[in-house]
Amino acid sequence: EDKVVQSPLSLVVHEGDTVTLNCSYEVTNFRSLLWYKQEKKAPTFLFMLTSSGIEKKSGRLSSILDKKELFSILNITATQTGDSAVYLCAVYGSSNTGKLIFGQGTTLQVKP
Amino acid sequence: GAVVSQHPSRVICKSGTSVKIECRSLDFQATTMFWYRQFPKQSLMLMATSNEGSKATYEQGVEKDKFLINHASLTLSTLTVTSAHPEDSSFYICSVSSRRSYGYTFGSGTRLTVV
Repeated sequence: EDKVVQSPLSLVVHEGDTVTLNCSYEVTNFRSLLWYKQEKKAPTFLFMLTSSGIEKKSGRLSSILDKKELFSILNITATQTGDSAVYLCAVYGSSNTGKLIFGQGTTLQVKP
Repeated sequence: GAVVSQHPSRVICKSGTSVKIECRSLDFQATTMFWYRQFPKQSLMLMATSNEGSKATYEQGVEKDKFLINHASLTLSTLTVTSAHPEDSSFYICSVSSRRSYGYTFGSGTRLTVV
């Protein structure tokens, strides 16, 4: 059965800290891994990763994929209170009909 | 990227009534749309895959007679929660797959409260 596991489930840090969120997966015919940020409403797209070892970066956020070890990390440096959200990892496998399998999410709270 | 509109954003209904949620792809034709449900402090769980012009594919454990999905056109999929019960109260989100949107674009979600 396809599975995506995120850790930690929740995290509380102070502004300026750096955080690392983890996502491991087991999926048939892996195609891509996606990271989303969810605040009060629907998830917003952060990154899509398909190749191992290539870091994707957007401002203070970066992510990398290890297809051999079947995991990805999402890093946030110099955290701000606006980074407080649920971060979702999802995996797309071509054996499915295009559906995403989501992890449980990591709830990040950044305190001033 | 792709633009997806979901309506309504919030609905409160009485037990036993039915509620229809619409998901529209505004700027491209979506042959496939996905419906997710999210309970408080939990992740998104796929309910069903909506296929234009054919029957939806439901995930294990999702009652197809309770959650009716219609995908009559390339831009519109609807989810009807029939005979709603308080335990159906949840956040329902649709998504479409588009090469232009790095794989997936989500609607804004519908928060359903059944009283």
